[in-house]
Amino acid sequence: SQQGEEDPQALSIQEGENATMNCSYKTSINNLQWYRQNSGRGLVHLILIRSNEREKHSGRLRVTLDTSKKSSSLLITASRAADTASYFCATRRTMDSNYQLIWGAGTKLIIKP
Amino acid sequence: GAGVSQSPSNKVTEKGKDVELRCDPISGHTALYWYRQSLGQGLEFLIYFQGNSAPDKSGLPSDRFSAERTGGSVSTLTIQRTQQEDSAVYLCASIKGARTEAFFGQGTRLTVV
Repeated sequence: SQQGEEDPQALSIQEGENATMNCSYKTSINNLQWYRQNSGRGLVHLILIRSNEREKHSGRLRVTLDTSKKSSSLLITASRAADTASYFCATRRTMDSNYQLIWGAGTKLIIKP
Repeated sequence: GAGVSQSPSNKVTEKGKDVELRCDPISGHTALYWYRQSLGQGLEFLIYFQGNSAPDKSGLPSDRFSAERTGGSVSTLTIQRTQQEDSAVYLCASIKGARTEAFFGQGTRLTVV
């Protein structure tokens, strides 16, 4: 079953605005990862944040992790039309001894020019 | 190659025919996943290979689906007697280690007519 749940399911904003997407999960995790998917093809890894980290930055991306609330957020600052894509979170659960990733259903982000 | 390679990129087949989808993971990556994604939906886990362990086949939707991973490298997903509901994008991903990110291929878009 899916552990991660993203919200909102869809988000439409003007170019230049900031976009925030959230991910909630149910069980203890080792790490949480965010991915982007353009046009229904392969996913591209964006950021991995470990359970002992609270915040991580990569360019215009900022990810936070709150393990007490079992949630994470992905912030894209100064959005561009090229950021239009679907964004997925995935978790690696502490309970799993293998490499399994548990995926959310994704947030569809549309940046209007 | 440098990334995960999937072939074919697109496949149109007649209902009832068998199809084989191929995934060539990144060299040295010990874990390999197959996912299915219907239009506008999230990732549906199909099967997972890790090293020499028995594969996790819990996501295969029916006995028409099977997968192999030969020599710990290339994997083939076979769908027998294809049905229209099998139409989707089939994604392959490989992972190097338990706490690292997944690398995806560009997927195979399967259309059953």
